[in-house]
Amino acid sequence: AAGVIQSPRHLIKEKRETATLKCYPIPRHDTVYWYQQGPGQDPQFLISFYEKMQSDKGSIPDRFSAQQFSDYHSELNMSSLELGDSALYFCASSLGGPGANTEAFFGQGTRLTVV
Amino acid sequence: GQQVMQIPQYQHVQEGEDFTTYCNSSTTLSNIQWYKQRPGGHPVFLIQLVKSGEVKKQKRLTFQFGEAKKNSSLHITATQTTDVGTYFCAGLNFNKFYFGSGTKLNVKP
Repeated sequence: AAGVIQSPRHLIKEKRETATLKCYPIPRHDTVYWYQQGPGQDPQFLISFYEKMQSDKGSIPDRFSAQQFSDYHSELNMSSLELGDSALYFCASSLGGPGANTEAFFGQGTRLTVV
Repeated sequence: GQQVMQIPQYQHVQEGEDFTTYCNSSTTLSNIQWYKQRPGGHPVFLIQLVKSGEVKKQKRLTFQFGEAKKNSSLHITATQTTDVGTYFCAGLNFNKFYFGSGTKLNVKP
C-alpha cells in the first residue's frame, strides 16, 4: 500500500542557507501535518493543512513557511537555517480534516543537519 | 506548552515482564492515538481510541481511554525484545495532535 513519501531523506545545509522539504501524502488524504523532532525529543507540531488551506499552526518559526498544493502534496520551506534547526522532520497525512476521528500516517522523515 | 504528559520517561524491563505507560492531558481529547517509534525510525501508528472508557487489545497490547477522555494507558504483557522502542501517545484536541513526551522502553533478554 502507498505510504507517505518524504523527500529528501537526508539533507545537509550550512547556516543561513535555505532548505525545502517535500511531503507526498497517501493518495486521497487531504490533510497534512508537519512535525519537528529533535534528538531525544517528542515530535513537536509545526503546522497543518486541510484541503490546501492552513488549518492550524504550532511552534513554527517565522523563518519557516509551508503550503499544500493542488495535488495535496506539501512543502516546508526553511530559510536562514540555524544549527538548532537540525532535527528529524516528519510529515503525516490523514483523511477528513484535523478534527476527524482518523489516524495519521507518518512518513519516514527528513533528517536535516545544519552545519 | 505541553498539553499531553506521558510517564514514565524511561522503562527498563526484563524480557517477560509487563510494561505500562500512561498519558494525561490537561484538556478533554477528541481521540487519542498511540504510536511506536523504533530507534532511527518514524512513528508507526498502533491504535486509535475514540470513546470514553474504551478498551482495545492487540495481542499482548492493551489500550485504555479514560472515562473523562483525558487520560490513556498502554499495557504490554510479557514483553519481548521486539517491543523495544519509544511509545508515544498523541491526543487530538482543537485540530492538533499533541504528542506526549514518549516512554522509551528497553527490554533486556
